[in-house]
Amino acid sequence: DAKTTQPNSMESNEEEPVHLPCNHSTISGTDYIHWYRQLPSQGPEYVIHGLTSNVNNRMASLAIAEDRKSSTLILHRATLRDAAVYYCILRDSRLGMRFGAGTRLTVKP
Amino acid sequence: DTAVSQTPKYLVTQMGNDKSIKCEQNLGHDTMYWYKQDSKKFLKIMFSYNNKELIINETVPNRFSPKSPDKAHLNLHINSLELGDSAVYFCASSPGDSYNYGYTFGSGTRLTVV
Repeated sequence: DAKTTQPNSMESNEEEPVHLPCNHSTISGTDYIHWYRQLPSQGPEYVIHGLTSNVNNRMASLAIAEDRKSSTLILHRATLRDAAVYYCILRDSRLGMRFGAGTRLTVKP
Repeated sequence: DTAVSQTPKYLVTQMGNDKSIKCEQNLGHDTMYWYKQDSKKFLKIMFSYNNKELIINETVPNRFSPKSPDKAHLNLHINSLELGDSAVYFCASSPGDSYNYGYTFGSGTRLTVV
């Protein structure tokens, strides 16, 4: 399985941008990069996903390196509600969505 | 209208009992999943069904048996419950099994075995 590496934790100030990194040096050509987050006491929530090009949606942006060995989830203006564990996942259809330890994001007021 | 709903939300039961957790999705998705999140917060996939057919069956004790009566429902039956089964169980669904689909998760069932 292609694996991802994320920092255990990150801190951010409210209303500032947050860049959450993810390394995936063994990514294969067909692996989609997915991001989920899990707020306290809730189920995981889809954030964004992409293959090669950068992606934007109402929640976040996903910047994918040209060699696809890393990606960055960008929250443009962090709010207290964005405090969660963020998971970067390489999707292999045969194996389903496999979650790692993720990055715990703390947002300070 | 909840997209992926699980019942019950909380379940406390004694060791040795048999229990079921139900999951229903109203998204018209073809694929459904069960995940287990233990006390260390690791989320592990257990099973996946695509159009009522089992496609992923992880190394899970055979006391756990998923059942999909139709593509909108995926239930999890657990026999002879053990203390180590205590966890939060999440159901999820996706439009299909392709790499390009995201998952929608339910809010979880917290199972406590005493």
